[in-house]
Amino acid sequence: EVQLVESGGGLVQPGRSLRLSCEASGFIFDDDAMEWVRQAPGKGLEWVSGISWNRGSTAYADSVKGRFTISRDNAKNSLYLQMNSLRPEDTALYYCARQHKVLHDAFDIWGQGTMVTVSS
Amino acid sequence: AIQMTQSPSSLSASVGDRVTITCRASQGIRNDLGWYQQKPGKAPKLLIYAASSLHSGVPPRFSGSGSGTDFTLTISSLQAEDFATYYCLQDYTYPRTFGQGTKVEI
Repeated sequence: EVQLVESGGGLVQPGRSLRLSCEASGFIFDDDAMEWVRQAPGKGLEWVSGISWNRGSTAYADSVKGRFTISRDNAKNSLYLQMNSLRPEDTALYYCARQHKVLHDAFDIWGQGTMVTVSS
Repeated sequence: AIQMTQSPSSLSASVGDRVTITCRASQGIRNDLGWYQQKPGKAPKLLIYAASSLHSGVPPRFSGSGSGTDFTLTISSLQAEDFATYYCLQDYTYPRTFGQGTKVEI
């Protein structure tokens, strides 16, 4: 079964760190770029970060640049998001998604999301 | 960053109605645009990629059109299961940007 499973979310105080993981199965993980997308409660989708298939390039939204770091381990079929200096406005459901080059870089596989709550 | 302006933000429709949602990019993005459907409590699902290509398994009542800066998602005959929020996403360049979303309500 093709799937992405996120983990690592939780309640964290402002200024602290959290590391999200996303484990892939059922497809060739190192063929495509991977992305993180978040959704604050009751709000729309916000792209957060992306990484190329070979870790050669990364990109970040301005809202997280300098605080978040995306990485991947193709041997473990896993994607990560290291989140430092967390702020209350980072509170959201975080999804990982595959950006599939065969589909013109559309996001065709999504996980179920992991919730991050930043609050004192 | 490229801004994606989606309209309307919400609409009310009935089963059988034809529904049109538009997305405008702040600069040309060729046909590098996808449309996604999200139901409450669920992850988004890809409907359309490359502006007009129907993703596998998506009913043909969904269609997309446009290129450059103006794009449209059309649902030819709205079904009960189509009540959801729809987003456009440009994959022309980083940072990727979503439209604000369109909630389709009964």
